Amino acid sequence: EAQVTQNPRYLITVTGKKLTVTCSQNMNHEYMSWYRQDPGLGLRQIYYSMNVEVTDKGDVPEGYKVSRKEKRNFPLILESPSPNQTSLYFCASSFSETMNSPLHFGNGTRLTVT
Amino acid sequence: DAKTTQPPSMDCAEGRAANLPCNHSTISGNEYVYWYRQIHSQGPQYIIHGLKNNETNEMASLIITEDRKSSTLILPHATLRDTAVYYCIVRVAMDSNYQLIWGAGTKLIIKP
Repeated sequence: EAQVTQNPRYLITVTGKKLTVTCSQNMNHEYMSWYRQDPGLGLRQIYYSMNVEVTDKGDVPEGYKVSRKEKRNFPLILESPSPNQTSLYFCASSFSETMNSPLHFGNGTRLTVT
Repeated sequence: DAKTTQPPSMDCAEGRAANLPCNHSTISGNEYVYWYRQIHSQGPQYIIHGLKNNETNEMASLIITEDRKSSTLILPHATLRDTAVYYCIVRVAMDSNYQLIWGAGTKLIIKP
């Protein structure tokens, strides 16, 4: 089944403890992206990648890192999490970065930083 | 800022067609209209998208006005499982990134 898989689904951690949220897609998509969703603010883009070894900042990149060493994987790294990074995170992918290529989303990771 | 305006909520009877309106009066000529829905806090689910022609797939139909300033998503036979927040989104070009600019969406409630 074609899908975007995120892990873990739920994560509770403490301030400053490094964590990684994994994202993998099995559709051979070139474009991948991370979003966070907060009440009243909608989905905001954190980072995106147009292909292997090509990443760029979205609207809210502060406090996050990403890497794209393989086409299928796009992990989100929080080197030193803070409580304001408590949020619902979504990974998404599309065949290409063009306007006419729908994004497909994972099921989300709910992160709580205490 | 979101380029779309949607009603905050709508009701529809089960089995009837659900028609969800969206205004996007500032849309540019090469920007697509996308529709997604989100059930509870699950990942947004892609429904349909279009540029200027009407589109139909197994989930829904998208009707775009000739001036492209508004569109309507039609769920032909709504079921209880269609209860969700529906987002009308214009995909815009920002530098080299084609961004989806999300608004607040329409909460659609399907009633038995």
